[in-house]
Amino acid sequence: RKEVEQDPGPFNVPEGATVAFNCTYSNSASQSFFWYRQDCRKEPKLLMSVYSSGNEDGRFTAQLNRASQYISLLIRDSKLSDSATYLCADGGTSYGKLTFGQGTILTVHP
Amino acid sequence: NAGVTQTPKFQVLKTGQSMTLQCAQDMNHNSMYWYRQDPGMGLRLIYYSASEGTTDKGEVPNGYNVSRLNKREFSLRLESAAPSQTSVYFCASSEGGVGTQHFGDGTRLSIL
Repeated sequence: RKEVEQDPGPFNVPEGATVAFNCTYSNSASQSFFWYRQDCRKEPKLLMSVYSSGNEDGRFTAQLNRASQYISLLIRDSKLSDSATYLCADGGTSYGKLTFGQGTILTVHP
Repeated sequence: NAGVTQTPKFQVLKTGQSMTLQCAQDMNHNSMYWYRQDPGMGLRLIYYSASEGTTDKGEVPNGYNVSRLNKREFSLRLESAAPSQTSVYFCASSEGGVGTQHFGDGTRLSIL
């Protein structure tokens, strides 16, 4: 089993839709998790951190389910500009190291 | 406001050639990282440096060496390039102990 797994998609949704991605992790001792956004041919940029039960920032909500070992990202009222690849990362227990999933591709269409 | 700067941005090599990818950060971060990204594989850690003077292997270190030249700079060297090393390479930095890594804009490397 991979350490961090994501459904690669692609997810194709209309503007205004709500879309959710899940990301499973294998290290039950991991303490921190992250969602990064990566635009085509660009570098990843931090979207949200998840250290406990969840985090919300505007239209974006990230949740952590320790019992089932997954994190989720919910995007409400999708915009065309939300089209990107969303990478989840497990911060594990090692100082500063991240293990990334393969990414989920989101396309928002008019 | 440069953040993390990588050079070069593009490079084409022949099999067996060597080269060094450069990375510098101006955020006074302690930790620096080198990743490679291949289609469908996400980001895989090659080497990292938790602090100046230390380096450690990541998930895919074979065929690479690194040097943490000083607090600002962390270079990645391919001694004898192979086609399997064709990839996009990202350098990142963080204060250390927290997961917020800041990435450079990548080096696209093709090995023929």
